[in-house]
Amino acid sequence: QSVLTQPPSASGTPGQRVTISCSGSSSNIGSNYVYWYQQLPGTAPKLLIYRNNQRPSGVPDRFSGSKSGTSASLAISGLRSEDEADYYCAAWDDSLSGDVVFGGGTKLTVL
Amino acid sequence: QVQLQESGPGLVKPSETLSLTCAVSGYSISSGYYWGWIRQPPGKGLEWIGSIYHSGSTYYNPSLKSRVTISVDTSKNQFSLKLSSVTAADTAVYYCARALPGVMDAFDIWGQGTMVTVSS
Repeated sequence: QSVLTQPPSASGTPGQRVTISCSGSSSNIGSNYVYWYQQLPGTAPKLLIYRNNQRPSGVPDRFSGSKSGTSASLAISGLRSEDEADYYCAAWDDSLSGDVVFGGGTKLTVL
Repeated sequence: QVQLQESGPGLVKPSETLSLTCAVSGYSISSGYYWGWIRQPPGKGLEWIGSIYHSGSTYYNPSLKSRVTISVDTSKNQFSLKLSSVTAADTAVYYCARALPGVMDAFDIWGQGTMVTVSS
């Protein structure tokens, strides 16, 4: 049971815009930055979004992040076949002595 | 460019200690940044294990804290993970990673990962 809640799956056709949600609480998303990772099959995760909505250099502007209250979203516009991957949200959690918490991951299928 | 490479036994017996090392190239650990370990059980999601600063300051996942030790060896430009009293639940791909500047909870450079199986 992950601390952050994501839908297990999402899908879209090439060119479409898809969004992936991430729900948390006041101790994590509500009070800290949200990060998004993309994990292609058989590879290490790749940082996609940091500090809620910032893109590392090299990440296409088709990827965007947002946060509102205790929820966050990752949007992918102009969907491409190479976007088929698992996507994870993450945040620092202030409860107990602190922890980095992840969502359970969303498998994105490009139809 | 900065590269990270995990190494260590791929098979560990239950109740024993899992030991992994992450060799860093292209950057001197003593220059800064937090460095972390993250794991992923087969077919499951990501779990943060802990992070260490070049000075040796550490942060651990509370659920693993009693069994985890992360250390840094600046002379060898590497950092290490020890996880004691392992069980089958510790079977996972273990990744080492470098955190973003100024933080210890988000990682922008990752190793390729190493699979560790806990089995007798």
